[in-house]
Order: sequence, then structure tokens, then C-alpha cells
Amino acid sequence: GENVEQHPSTLSVQEGDSAVIKCTYSDSASNYFPWYKQELGKGPQLIIDIRSNVGEKKDQRIAVTLNKTAKHFSLHITETQPEDSAVYFCAARPYNFNKFYFGSGTKLNVKP
Amino acid sequence: DAGITQSPRHKVTETGTPVTLRCHQTENHRYMYWYRQDPGHGLRLIHYSYGVKDTDKGEVSDGYSVSRSKTEDFLLTLESATSSQTSVYFCAINPEEGDSTEAFFGQGTRLTVV
Repeated sequence: GENVEQHPSTLSVQEGDSAVIKCTYSDSASNYFPWYKQELGKGPQLIIDIRSNVGEKKDQRIAVTLNKTAKHFSLHITETQPEDSAVYFCAARPYNFNKFYFGSGTKLNVKP
Repeated sequence: DAGITQSPRHKVTETGTPVTLRCHQTENHRYMYWYRQDPGHGLRLIHYSYGVKDTDKGEVSDGYSVSRSKTEDFLLTLESATSSQTSVYFCAINPEEGDSTEAFFGQGTRLTVV
């Protein structure tokens, strides 16, 4: 099955700096890559996603890039704010299986 | 928020007892999932359902069973709870219709097995 690896496990940045979280996947059949944000005591919520026919997608301060050849994708958060502090998960979904495989998570701490 | 309700939200149970967690949705979505979340492991799929009475195993299904007798309800049962099943359990739903691929998560159930 699919294996998704995520790095780093923790990331601390100063408010206003950028943050980058990286994920790799193993199954070339994966064609959908969502990113989720989880705040303390809550369920994960989708913040951005990308499909395999697109190399980059941006939504205000967040962007995701995908390199299908290398099988890796990254989340970029610019101008970080304290409210960006949370755990972020990447995921991959194969086109032939409606199952989502998650990375191990990155705890982002944005220091004021 | 998507209409997903997990119950109970918190539970403490003793080793060896059966436990059932409930996921209820009001979205009429076809797919439903149970995940467990543990430090260092992210979210791991236990079981999922692709329709009424249609279920399949995920990565960590040992010791768990599921049932889906109605579109809106997906039950997760720990047949004989063990301390290794202490975790936070999340239910998710997904319509998988057209371009709609987002999985929506419930608020989670924190289960402690003592």
C-alpha cells in the first residue's frame, strides 16, 4: 500500500517568517494530495489540496507544490502568524482506492 | 462544519471489555472511515465503508470490527479492549462524487483503556 513520510516532525518559526513542510509518497497511483490542519482538541480540517495534473497551487498565504517524478510534495506557509500554530498532516490518495494515507504530522509553532 | 457527530467524545474502559464508538453523518456521503491518531504515527486507517454493509480493512484493523447498517451510521467496535488501543479515534466522511474529494473529519473520541 501507499507509504507517506513527512518532515520535520516539529518546526518552530518566528512570526512573519516562512514555514515549509515536506512529504514523500511511494505509490505512483496516488493522484490527490490534501493538507490538513489540526488545532488542539479538534479534528483535522482541509486547508489546501493538489491533484497530480497540477504542479503548484496557491491560496493566499499557503501554497502546495508537487513533483510527481520525485514523488514529493510540500506545503509552504508565508508570513506566518501565531494562529498558524497547529499540527499539519499531508496525505495521499491513490486514484484506484478511495483511501487516504497520512503522514505522521508536523507540529508548527509560530513564536510572536 | 460537515455534519459529523462522534459519540462518546471521551471514554475510559477496562481491559477486556467490548467498546463501541459511533459516527453519525447528516451529509449522506457514501464513504466513511475510522482512523486512530497516536503520537509519531499520524492518522492510521482502521476500517472504511463504501456503502451500506460494504466495509473493508485498513492498515491497523486487528482487534477492531465495524458495521454500517444505515448510510448515516458507522460503528467501530473494539471486541476486547487492550491498553494498546488507548488512542484518539476519528471518523471521516467523503462523498467521492465528481470533483468532490475532500474528507471531512469528526471531532474525535478519546479512548483510554485501563
